[in-house]
Amino acid sequence: DIVMTQSPDSLTVSLGERATINCKSSQSVLYSPNNKYSSLAWYQQKPGQPPKLLIYWASTRESGVPDRFSGSGSGTDFTLTISSLQAEDVAVYYCQQYSRIPITFGQGTRVEIK
Amino acid sequence: QVQLVESGGGLVKPGGSLRLSCAASGIAFTDYYMNWIRQTPGKGLEWVSYISGSGETIYYADSVKGRFTISRDNAKKSLYLQMNSLRAEDTAVYYCARGSSGGSWYGYWGQGTLVTVSS
Repeated sequence: DIVMTQSPDSLTVSLGERATINCKSSQSVLYSPNNKYSSLAWYQQKPGQPPKLLIYWASTRESGVPDRFSGSGSGTDFTLTISSLQAEDVAVYYCQQYSRIPITFGQGTRVEIK
Repeated sequence: QVQLVESGGGLVKPGGSLRLSCAASGIAFTDYYMNWIRQTPGKGLEWVSYISGSGETIYYADSVKGRFTISRDNAKKSLYLQMNSLRAEDTAVYYCARGSSGGSWYGYWGQGTLVTVSS
């Protein structure tokens, strides 16, 4: 199985500051047919709600997601960046690989306001 | 708009059975893989199973293989998860989620149904 490891487990950031979450996969999640895209998604989850898709193919923003959210990385190392943290961004963030079955998620990173 | 509504959760004793349902609306149901994903406080998000639009392709996580069965009724736009031989570690919120046409990322999730396995 591909193990997804996020760091840090929790993050406290001031309003308007940058938040950076890392995700590392135990194997490459490059999409084999073209080796251009990585099969990596990011989600945001608020209490009592299901996860909400933010990013797929490592860097493609889902429709309607604010542009302060961006994804980067390739192969085994990925980053989710919130460029200017807003109060509504307080949540737990998860990465997920969809390169191989079983599909696996990171353990989550809690983002709070300082 | 797309809506996924799970039902069927509840309290069940170890070794018991439960059948979850997910009713879909607002989507071309047969066009998409459908998935069950569960979440526990201790283990986070865990993918459980998925089924192709036709129902011909099915995968399970090792932790549920041989005990859970995924199925779908495209005429009713419904997804099911038959859970047998339930264990305490199956206690979780179970979500149905729609795969995307380009890959297994999940743009649509239901609100979840809680399954509690306890004596």
